Amino acid sequence: QVQLVESGGGVVQPGRSLRLSCAASGFTFSNYGMHWVRQAPGKGLESVAVIWYDGTNRYYVDSVKGRFTISRENSKNTLYLQMNSLRAEDTAVYYCARGEILTGNPFGGFDYWGQGTLVTVSS
Amino acid sequence: DVVMTQSPLSLPVTVGQTASISCRASQSLVHSDGNTYLNWFQQRPGQSPRRLIYKVANRDSGVPDRFSGSGSGTDFTLKITRVEAEDVGVYYCLQDTHWPLTFGGGTKVEIK
Repeated sequence: QVQLVESGGGVVQPGRSLRLSCAASGFTFSNYGMHWVRQAPGKGLESVAVIWYDGTNRYYVDSVKGRFTISRENSKNTLYLQMNSLRAEDTAVYYCARGEILTGNPFGGFDYWGQGTLVTVSS
Repeated sequence: DVVMTQSPLSLPVTVGQTASISCRASQSLVHSDGNTYLNWFQQRPGQSPRRLIYKVANRDSGVPDRFSGSGSGTDFTLKITRVEAEDVGVYYCLQDTHWPLTFGGGTKVEIK
């Protein structure tokens, strides 16, 4: 069965960096785009970034552009989110979600989600 | 950016009755490929979101047929018939036609 397991969250000071990972299993990872979505405490959902199945295209929400980098290692079935220059407003649970298969809508998917990893940015 | 406006914010429902949630987009969600990429998600307390509906009206595998989606262009609706206690949670719409992808603010469904 499809599984997505995030890791790497924790407490970090403003201005520092953190790298999140999302280990995928149960499907052919290299055939699917992947998303990062976040949810601030008690708030709604926000799409953060998407990467296409082969890593050739990446898109970011404006609030993280230039600070966050989404990447993937298809040989390890793993998705990453490198977060630099972290701010208090980046505090959230970060979810990875499966995107669309090869020829589908490159922004689509969201049929499977991980359990999320909490990132707290605080001094 | 496409703004997704959900209403109501809160929806108290009696078990067995019907709940209806509206989602309005600030611009058309019809993609150049002819599809309309509008999804609905359920997030139960303490859980990850779960997709219920994709492309306006297609139900995901395992989703009860009590859940249905409808709409076109900029106006969409999620209907839950014969509401059950397990339907309690927050429901979100999401458009994935235009980047950045945008979620509605959420509708909290609770049992009266």
